[in-house]
Amino acid sequence: TQLLEQSPQFLSIQEGENLTVYCNSSSVFSSLQWYRQEPGEGPVLLVTVVTGGEVKKLKRLTFQFGDARKDSSLHITAAQPGDTGLYLCAGAGLATDSWGKLQFGAGTQVVVTP
Amino acid sequence: GAVVSQHPSRVICKSGTSVKIECRSLDFQATTMFWYRQFPKQSLMLMATSNEGSKATYEQGVEKDKFLINHASLTLSTLTVTSAHPEDSSFYICSAISGTDTQYFGPGTRLTVL
Repeated sequence: TQLLEQSPQFLSIQEGENLTVYCNSSSVFSSLQWYRQEPGEGPVLLVTVVTGGEVKKLKRLTFQFGDARKDSSLHITAAQPGDTGLYLCAGAGLATDSWGKLQFGAGTQVVVTP
Repeated sequence: GAVVSQHPSRVICKSGTSVKIECRSLDFQATTMFWYRQFPKQSLMLMATSNEGSKATYEQGVEKDKFLINHASLTLSTLTVTSAHPEDSSFYICSAISGTDTQYFGPGTRLTVL
């Protein structure tokens, strides 16, 4: 089992501040996905990173995949109340018998107050 | 693109009854669908992997006779919770794969068993 450790578990910040969420594992992933989930809804895909060292930007969100494809980070610049939600990282394994299956981190609840 | 729907969004049932939840990929064919359950303030827990035309593969600890999964077509998978009990109350979410290992999630179904 490939375990994904996500930190912090909870983050409360003021509007305009920056934040970073980390996702770490001792195992290598073929790809890693970041989702945001709001209460009572399903997770919404934010980004998929595939290449070691890859950096992707989505407006104020910056995603990085570690060189060894074992870890990833999500950085939000100038957070807004609309960024509030549960952020989940999920890694896709390398084994052929687990193709498509995702290992989820525990999630980071982000609260941005005006 | 890559829209996944679930029906119903909410269901309340009496203990001992069975409940069926549908998961549909609306604009793509999904050879593989996944079923998750999520408890409050927790991450997603994979229950089973559903492949079109074959038996579902259940994760360890998930009772296959209690959670019946049928994947009769490339756009529809169903989860039936049989003889539901209050401890089965949860948020059930499906996801589907479209050719890559990126999963697209449905909006979830809130099941409450009285």
